[in-house]
Amino acid sequence: QVQLVQSGAEVKKPGASVKVSCKASGYTFTSYYMHWVRQAPGQGLEWMGIINPSGGSTSYAQKLQGRVTMTRDTSTSTVYMELSSLRSEDTAVYYCARSSVRTSLDLWGRGTLVTVSS
Amino acid sequence: QSVLTQPPSVSAAPGQKVTISCSGSSSNIGNNYVSWYQQLPGTAPKLLIYDNNKRPSGIPDRFSGSKSGTSATLGITGLQTGDEADYYCGTWDSSLSAFVVFGGGTKLTVL
Repeated sequence: QVQLVQSGAEVKKPGASVKVSCKASGYTFTSYYMHWVRQAPGQGLEWMGIINPSGGSTSYAQKLQGRVTMTRDTSTSTVYMELSSLRSEDTAVYYCARSSVRTSLDLWGRGTLVTVSS
Repeated sequence: QSVLTQPPSVSAAPGQKVTISCSGSSSNIGNNYVSWYQQLPGTAPKLLIYDNNKRPSGIPDRFSGSKSGTSATLGITGLQTGDEADYYCGTWDSSLSAFVVFGGGTKLTVL
């Protein structure tokens, strides 16, 4: 069925990097954009960036520029989000979600908890 | 501080109606479609309303959406205890800081 399956929870130390994966299935991978959205404990949704799986082009939230990198592997229909120089404020659940051009995020992964702690 | 403004909480009794507002600007709501997402406790957000007022397959017609100018509203009628959740509005934005913006979320309590 149509779904996004994310990698498992991670625990990282401050200053380290984390790479989260999101594997798409049940639809044409290159026909939809993929977003990453995070949610800190007890907080709202924060958009992190978008990748076009077709050509690999990306755009990132200004706040995360320089620390976030989104990539994709079309052979496995998987997108990746890597966040570097982790700090405690990066502790959150990270979601991938797909959309068409300038439309709603209509399919979400279950989320990946990333905990940053010394 | 979220780009879109929502009330932190709303409440109503079972069977009643509730509305949740979402206020933005011309760079986001004013020139783009609005979506609404429902997040049940401990789960991922789920699309509830898209293109201002359309419901995805499987979403009951108790849920409705509207937009006027730079504001949008989610309406829920015939409230059920299972509707207790956080609700987020979202849309695209033409500013340089982010392509997609969300409201801060509204916690719905069904008394």
